[in-house]
Amino acid sequence: DAGVIQSPRHEVTEMGQEVTLRCKPISGHNSLFWYRQTMMRGLELLIYFNNNVPIDDSGMPEDRFSAKMPNASFSTLKIQPSEPRDSAVYFCASSWGRTGKNIQYFGAGTRLSVL
Amino acid sequence: AQKITQTQPGMFVQEKEAVTLDCTYDTSDPSYGLFWYKQPSSGEMIFLIYQGSYDQQNATEGRYSLNFQKARKSANLVISASQLGDSAMYFCAMREGDNTDKLIFGTGTRLQVFP
Repeated sequence: DAGVIQSPRHEVTEMGQEVTLRCKPISGHNSLFWYRQTMMRGLELLIYFNNNVPIDDSGMPEDRFSAKMPNASFSTLKIQPSEPRDSAVYFCASSWGRTGKNIQYFGAGTRLSVL
Repeated sequence: AQKITQTQPGMFVQEKEAVTLDCTYDTSDPSYGLFWYKQPSSGEMIFLIYQGSYDQQNATEGRYSLNFQKARKSANLVISASQLGDSAMYFCAMREGDNTDKLIFGTGTRLQVFP
């Protein structure tokens, strides 16, 4: 079975440019999560969706970040304009069900470098 | 206060020996879930084991077991018969309460297994 698929795997861009990260969750999963991993802040949740509806976006750093989930099989995380401090590994994860033993399965991540 | 604390930045263990990775948590919610993930050098996050706050027995998954001490608020991961492939970062995480799927991660422990 295909796992969570993220693209691109690596992204290098210049400050001020728009960046779009993509995620395809595991088929049948109804929750999708976006995380960011940095050395300074560790792994932190940015936003998550349940049944395509954003549930908790309290981790989204600022208005430059936006996330959408137009359907059950696709989500995007957009940064506009990008800044060097946005350089990080961005993970997408998906899960089935709500609460309890709700295991999140992670994609391979997108390593973003903003120059 | 930190919700999840992993006090061991790095651990060494000899192949075939057992190792315990520490995790303490802080919550006043009676319902919570505890997770361990492995992150090898390739970068992906791999789910290892789950313990629910109401589970009567310690969780086990193959060579992984969780030493759950509720009164002490600790959920240590025990890896038995270590293998070279166990060398990785290990993260403890908590889902706090029944009304969220958000995971809060600790800072991780880097485990190195030597021959």
